[in-house]
Amino acid sequence: DAGVIQSPRHEVTEMGQEVTLRCKPISGHNSLFWYRQTMMRGLELLIYFNNNVPIDDSGMPEDRFSAKMPNASFSTLKIQPSEPRDSAVYFCASSLGGQGGDTQYFGPGTRLTVL
Amino acid sequence: KNEVEQSPQNLTAQEGEFITINCSYSVGISALHWLQQHPGGGIVSLFMLSSGKKKHGRLIATINIQEKHSSLHITASHPRDSAVYICAVTGNQFYFGTGTSLTVIP
Repeated sequence: DAGVIQSPRHEVTEMGQEVTLRCKPISGHNSLFWYRQTMMRGLELLIYFNNNVPIDDSGMPEDRFSAKMPNASFSTLKIQPSEPRDSAVYFCASSLGGQGGDTQYFGPGTRLTVL
Repeated sequence: KNEVEQSPQNLTAQEGEFITINCSYSVGISALHWLQQHPGGGIVSLFMLSSGKKKHGRLIATINIQEKHSSLHITASHPRDSAVYICAVTGNQFYFGTGTSLTVIP
């Protein structure tokens, strides 16, 4: 298996632009997680899905952020409009089970820079 | 107040030394995770624990549910162990420690 796939690996955009990050989880995994990592705040959980349904989105910073999982093999995290403070590395992870009770496999991350 | 506290924040060791990283938490959990993040940025899950002890190669992780404490041990440390080690707990919510930066010197 190729592991968790994220795209793009790097994204540079200007303030106000829409940004879409993509994730393909490991086949057969039922849970998918979106994380953000910054120097100031470390790793933070943004949202996680179980069986394509959002279970906990309490970490989504504000309405500018939205996430979807239209099917078991694809998820997107969208920021519209983007702001410089959104600059971070965004990780996607997947696991067999939910609630964080199973080993999570992380993607390589997307490094987002908003100018 | 942080729900997850790690110590030490930074650690430098000589190759071959035995290393311990500690994690204390203050919330109810269903599982505790130890993550490793290499300088390149990738994150690898090392262990997921809900009780007792797990061993994988030179790495050992223990958890004491009553004391709300976990330790990650590295035996015979090697420069390739240099990384940031992050403790995370999952329950009703997810909480992360700020990480321990380990440097192993040859």
